Amino acid sequence: KAGVTQTPRYLIKTRGQQVTLSCSPISGHRSVSWYQQTPGQGLQFLFEYFSETQRNKGNFPGRFSGRQFSNSRSEMNVSTLELGDSALYLCASSSGQEYNEQFFGPGTRLTVL
Amino acid sequence: QKEVEQNSGPLSVPEGAIASLNCTYSDRGSQSFFWYRQYSGKSPELIMSIYSNGDKEDGRFTAQLNKASQYVSLLIRDSQPSDSATYLCAVHSGGSNYKLTFGKGTLLTVNP
Repeated sequence: KAGVTQTPRYLIKTRGQQVTLSCSPISGHRSVSWYQQTPGQGLQFLFEYFSETQRNKGNFPGRFSGRQFSNSRSEMNVSTLELGDSALYLCASSSGQEYNEQFFGPGTRLTVL
Repeated sequence: QKEVEQNSGPLSVPEGAIASLNCTYSDRGSQSFFWYRQYSGKSPELIMSIYSNGDKEDGRFTAQLNKASQYVSLLIRDSQPSDSATYLCAVHSGGSNYKLTFGKGTLLTVNP
């Protein structure tokens, strides 16, 4: 069974630009969660989608948004990039049911200059 | 603010020893508990899940959960240099909250 895929793997942007990251979950999984990982803050939850609906959102500014498509693929968008947005963005796939085991993709490394 | 706490380490053990990693959580209603391993420059990999009090063994790994003490641990027996990584504890509160709350991880180094 193929794992979680994320594209692109690396991105370099400048302040003020926007970026879109993509995630394809494990086949059959309907839940996609997004996390930001930085050395100082660790893994921070951004949001979770299940069947195209956002079920939960973390404590991030509105510049961070996401969506999920009918095939469960998900995208997240960051607008008006700031230097502090430089991080590893991780997507996690889950069946979305009770015990919520989540499986991570390889991540997208975003650098904002 | 629901929190998950781990010693940052580094925890250094000799090859063949038992490595013991600990985690405490603040939300008494937490339902599911996970251990992830993250190698430098890689994404987290799920290695253990535990949902009820007691021990759960999988190969060289044993997860232990004590909900009364709000404590979860991971034991790695016969530690190998390839076990050197950061170990992340994650907690799921259950119900309609579908996010995992992560600790900041413990860096484990296994010395040959």
